[in-house]
Amino acid sequence: QLHLQESGPGLVKPSETLSLTCTVSGGSISSNNHYWGWIRQPPGKGLEWIGSIYFSGSTYYNPSLKSRVTVSVDTSKNQFSLNLTSVTAADTAVYYCARSGNYYYFDHWGQGTLVTVSS
Amino acid sequence: DIQMTQSPSSVSASVGDRVTITCRASQGIYSWLGWYQQKPGKAPKLLIFAASNLQSGVPSRFSGSGSGTDFTLTINSLQPEDFATYYCQQTNTFPLTFGGGTKVEIK
Repeated sequence: QLHLQESGPGLVKPSETLSLTCTVSGGSISSNNHYWGWIRQPPGKGLEWIGSIYFSGSTYYNPSLKSRVTVSVDTSKNQFSLNLTSVTAADTAVYYCARSGNYYYFDHWGQGTLVTVSS
Repeated sequence: DIQMTQSPSSVSASVGDRVTITCRASQGIYSWLGWYQQKPGKAPKLLIFAASNLQSGVPSRFSGSGSGTDFTLTINSLQPEDFATYYCQQTNTFPLTFGGGTKVEIK
C-alpha cells in the first residue's frame, strides 16, 4: 500500500524559505510512469497545484510560483522535496504531496501538513 | 492558464437524491478532466479520471461525463458518506488547475 508523508516546519517567518519533504513508502519513487507533486490549499479555500517532478529530475512548475519554487527528488531516500522562498502570509496553507500517473491525475495523497507564515 | 468554473458552489440534498455538479473549462480540454472528493481535514480522493473513468474502488453511484469544455459529475442515490466538497481538475495543459469546489451539504 503506497503511503506518502509530508514533514517539515509548521511555522515559517515572512521572507524566509518554506521547506517540506515527502517520504514515500510502500513503493518506489523511481517507478516508471509516475510523477510526484505538491498541491496546497489555503484555509477554507480551493486547491492549487505547485509543481511536479519525475524521478529523473524533470520538473513542471506553476508559473504563478515558478520564480520561488524548487521541487527536487532524492531517489536514495525515496523522498521528494519542496522549497518555496520569500514566503508571505499568502503562502499559509495545507501542503499536500501526491503521486500522479502519466496524465497527472493525483491518485495517492499524503495527509497534508499545515504551514503558517507568521512572525 | 485554463480556468475551471464549478457550479453550483454548494448544494443541499437528502440521502437518496441524485446530485449533479458541473465544471466548465475556459478552453477545450478534450477529456482531460478529473473529479475529486474531499472531506473536512482530509486529503482529496480521486473519483473519476479522463472525464468518465471510475477510479478503482470508487462506488458505481459516481459517474462523470462530458468533453471539450463542459463536464458533469453525477452522484446517484446520495449516501451519508458522500457529503463532502468536490473538485474538478484539468490535466490538458500546464499549469494543472482545479475548480473552486462544490460543497454537498445535508438538507
